[in-house]
Amino acid sequence: DAGITQSPRHKVTETGTPVTLRCHQTENHRYMYWYRQDPGHGLRLIHYSYGVKDTDKGEVSDGYSVSRSKTEDFLLTLESATSSQTSVYFCAIRLPLSPGNTIYFGEGSWLTVV
Amino acid sequence: RKEVEQDPGPFNVPEGATVAFNCTYSNSASQSFFWYRQDCRKEPKLLMSVYSSGNEDGRFTAQLNRASQYISLLIRDSKLSDSATYLCVVNTNAGKSTFGDGTTLTVKP
Repeated sequence: DAGITQSPRHKVTETGTPVTLRCHQTENHRYMYWYRQDPGHGLRLIHYSYGVKDTDKGEVSDGYSVSRSKTEDFLLTLESATSSQTSVYFCAIRLPLSPGNTIYFGEGSWLTVV
Repeated sequence: RKEVEQDPGPFNVPEGATVAFNCTYSNSASQSFFWYRQDCRKEPKLLMSVYSSGNEDGRFTAQLNRASQYISLLIRDSKLSDSATYLCVVNTNAGKSTFGDGTTLTVKP
């Protein structure tokens, strides 16, 4: 158990509304990630963070922003949700001392934009 | 072309069968390799790391061929509980992780 919790776990929202997903970790890991997973595309990196207030874009960052004001929380915001952002979102942390720096995932947040 | 490619399957096998999955990667700078297992509507979970010398964990054997840039996962004596999607993951030395789309396995009685 890597001590990761995501909230909300399920959300239905309307097109054009802002949405924030929260990832919380309890073990002070430096690296945190947001992925989305869609059929035919697998897991794709949206944004990642390598420390408080240190974030960078992944391969599918358009339409998303992130913030990390505390080590334990990494927030993903959809500024104006679109139907193409309907997906399952996974937060992940990287364990620096594990062999090969393996990634561990939270349980996922299922988002539906109608 | 995707950086990490897997046969999506599905693989449908009877209990007790041996099944093998392959994964190819295009980035020759890749440093570490893993297999993850993902159950339906769950998060991916680390199954095992893959080492150049090959490694085994019970009924599971992973192999890496750096020259040909592929990794494999062999499951012996398949169980119903092995039914899942298996993801190949490749890390570069910069810490970037690239995931394959996964191979779906269904083990039938």
